[in-house]
Amino acid sequence: NAGVTQTPKFRVLKTGQSMTLLCAQDMNHEYMYWYRQDPGMGLRLIHYSVGEGTTAKGEVPDGYNVSRLKKQNFLLGLESAAPSQTSVYFCASSPPQERQEAFFGQGTRLTVV
Amino acid sequence: RKEVEQDPGPFNVPEGATVAFNCTYSNSASQSFFWYRQDCRKEPKLLMSVYSSGNEDGRFTAQLNRASQYISLLIRDSKLSDSATYLCVVSSGNTPLVFGKGTRLSVIA
Repeated sequence: NAGVTQTPKFRVLKTGQSMTLLCAQDMNHEYMYWYRQDPGMGLRLIHYSVGEGTTAKGEVPDGYNVSRLKKQNFLLGLESAAPSQTSVYFCASSPPQERQEAFFGQGTRLTVV
Repeated sequence: RKEVEQDPGPFNVPEGATVAFNCTYSNSASQSFFWYRQDCRKEPKLLMSVYSSGNEDGRFTAQLNRASQYISLLIRDSKLSDSATYLCVVSSGNTPLVFGKGTRLSVIA
């Protein structure tokens, strides 16, 4: 039972490079989220999706784009990476009903040099 | 004011102690409340949901006070394995989960 899988788990980018983080879930969840976690800052929502083909901005969306072309996948793109985007990125998914647990991927550790 | 606020700790307690964490939230329309646990360099995982009447799961008790807009987590008979960061999480209907910054607990032998 895979749950939520993030790819890659680690990455080092040079400033200005682009990359895409992939999140895949096999639980048929409607909602998917991308968070970043920095020391002392907690989890902050970047973008989220309430269904296939829909996306919305979260608390810290600048510098990121997302796409949800298939229900099971949620992609996070960095078009031109900056050192401020060095962080641990977590993807999560959940059903839309209240009181439903969100399941997280194992995280992607990204360093931008 | 932050949507969800927690004391960051750390709380350093001996094995067997009882420890309590509080969390306050600012959105009075919040409807769903949770405690998540996050181990070092791992993803958050659900510890327990928090219901209006309060709920208990083994050594863990969660309480909700809607009037004062706070949530609490009580851990009895602390174990070394309870050492982790505890995240208070709030949601308003179908909006995304909002996380507190977490409270770090260290249980010492």
